[in-house]
Amino acid sequence: AQTVTQSQPEMSVQEAETVTLSCTYDTSESDYYLFWYKQPPSRQMILVIRQEAYKQQNATENRFSVNFQKAAKSFSLKISDSQLGDAAMYFCAYRRTGNQFYFGTGTSLTVIP
Amino acid sequence: GAVVSQHPSWVICKSGTSVKIECRSLDFQATTMFWYRQFPKQSLMLMATSNEGSKATYEQGVEKDKFLINHASLTLSTLTVTSAHPEDSSFYICSARDRVGTEAFFGQGTRLTVV
Repeated sequence: AQTVTQSQPEMSVQEAETVTLSCTYDTSESDYYLFWYKQPPSRQMILVIRQEAYKQQNATENRFSVNFQKAAKSFSLKISDSQLGDAAMYFCAYRRTGNQFYFGTGTSLTVIP
Repeated sequence: GAVVSQHPSWVICKSGTSVKIECRSLDFQATTMFWYRQFPKQSLMLMATSNEGSKATYEQGVEKDKFLINHASLTLSTLTVTSAHPEDSSFYICSARDRVGTEAFFGQGTRLTVV
């Protein structure tokens, strides 16, 4: 079974600083997708960034970037120049080719002004 | 990104009654929809996956007779909590993807409180 592990239940970062959220996953598949979703207090799930496993290049979306280490099955999220609006729960998710998504347990990010 | 609308955003019902939650894809055809349950400060727990026109596939431990899922069209799926009890109180979230989409788009969620 696929599992997604987020080992940091809570993280904090000073405004304008950089923070990295960790995620590891377990799979025997070679073709799959990885995602980071953000869930602010409104509880609306918002896609932050996604990575296709077949791509070696790490995905980047403005201040958000990932460090995808396929062999190590690691998929960390780096948030640069943190803003107050970045405060939220962040979920790492895995999806193999097919349908099902698997979510990690989440990391609660606090941004300190 | 694509828009998924979930309704209602919150509902309070009496124990023993049934509640229907709707999930609509507004600007794409949702061939697959997912229903999740989320407890406070916890992750999303997949309840079932439904493909348009087919019966939903339920995850282990989810009572299909209690949580009725209908995905009759490419833009609408419904989750009906039948004979609700206080332990069914939770936050329910739907998500949808189209046939070729990589990602899933989420509804706003529904907070169900059974009293």
